[in-house]
Amino acid sequence: GAGVSQTPSNKVTEKGKYVELRCDPISGHTALYWYRQSLGQGPEFLIYFQGTGAADDSGLPNDRFFAVRPEGSVSTLKIQRTERGDSAVYLCASSPRDRVISEQFFGPGTRLTVL
Amino acid sequence: AQKVTQAQTEISVVEKEDVTLDCVYETRDTTYYLFWYKQPPSGELVFLIRRNSFDEQNEISGRYSWNFQKSTSSFNFTITASQVVDSAVYFCALTGGSYIPTFGRGTSLIVHP
Repeated sequence: GAGVSQTPSNKVTEKGKYVELRCDPISGHTALYWYRQSLGQGPEFLIYFQGTGAADDSGLPNDRFFAVRPEGSVSTLKIQRTERGDSAVYLCASSPRDRVISEQFFGPGTRLTVL
Repeated sequence: AQKVTQAQTEISVVEKEDVTLDCVYETRDTTYYLFWYKQPPSGELVFLIRRNSFDEQNEISGRYSWNFQKSTSSFNFTITASQVVDSAVYFCALTGGSYIPTFGRGTSLIVHP
């Protein structure tokens, strides 16, 4: 079946602009995670959804970052007034509902470059 | 707070050599889960194994094996008879009661033919 997909695969924007990154999880997976991965680092947790609600958003670095998942499937990560330091690969992952701590299935990521 | 340390930044071996990737973790939770993921050059992380804190049995899957030792807070990963296709970045991760994973910085494995 289809895996986790993310669009766009690459996004180049100018400092101060607004961007949206999209994640389509595996069908039936209710847990969805967003991570940020900088070069040479491991994925850094941003936010976790269980269903439609954000169960934990403690990883969001500041109020310029926001994420939604209105119907419990597709999620959008929104970044306002982008800064050069936001440049990174943004990863999305999903997990099946019936295994609270289970393996995560990752998407290919969106590489964001802020000029 | 939880922490995962992968002290080896990069390991270079020749094909058919055995290689062990180290992972040391810190957590105050008594129930937790440890994971290994592989990130090949294509970029997509792939799950390899999950181990819970109550199961210290070592596991073998083909050329891969994992050694979990609570006494030393380590969860090491060994690849036997390495192959060029094993070249990737490998991440160790820990999830405790908060359900939020903490990843290590990763170990880049380069297998030369």
